[in-house]
Amino acid sequence: AQKITQTQPGMFVQEKEAVTLDCTYDTSDPSYGLFWYKQPSSGEMIFLIYQGSYDQQNATEGRYSLNFQKARKSANLVISASQLGDSAMYFCAMRADDKIIFGKGTRLHILP
Amino acid sequence: SAVISQKPSRDICQRGTSLTIQCQVDSQVTMMFWYRQQPGQSLTLIATANQGSEATYESGFVIDKFPISRPNLTFSTLTVSNMSPEDSSIYLCSVGVQGSAGELFFGEGSRLTVL
Repeated sequence: AQKITQTQPGMFVQEKEAVTLDCTYDTSDPSYGLFWYKQPSSGEMIFLIYQGSYDQQNATEGRYSLNFQKARKSANLVISASQLGDSAMYFCAMRADDKIIFGKGTRLHILP
Repeated sequence: SAVISQKPSRDICQRGTSLTIQCQVDSQVTMMFWYRQQPGQSLTLIATANQGSEATYESGFVIDKFPISRPNLTFSTLTVSNMSPEDSSIYLCSVGVQGSAGELFFGEGSRLTVL
């Protein structure tokens, strides 16, 4: 069975610091994808970054990078130089078997 | 990318009634899904809406409670039947677009409150 685990219900980080949001996964499908989404208080789901299971390099998108450690089945999101606008709920998700499942999420608070 | 419109954006309903949520996409898409997000919770996949055939439901969700239609590649409906307060949630339509990384694009959601 597919499973996504986010163990940090909430985090507080000082503005301009880097932050790492943890995500571990489990799947028997050898071909899978890992995603991070941001959900601000407005409720919209914003796609941030994607990592394929066969990708050799860690994905990066601007201030976002995905620390993909396949052997450990982890796909942590790193946000560099955090900003007040980064305060939101962050969901890790996995695509396997033609569907995408989500972790419980981490609520990130950026402090001025 | 894809632009997804959901109707209604929000509604307040009485216990025992049913509500149909519409999802319209601005382009033809193969994969279309319905998710539920209960207050303060994550997204839970209800079903995959299959064009021209019955939807594929996840464990804990049944067709009698959440009938889904998908008459073509740009449109789907989700009905929440015989509602109870426990059905109060945001219901989200999402699609996968070929040629992208496989990420889902989401509608703005339909916020349902059952009294």
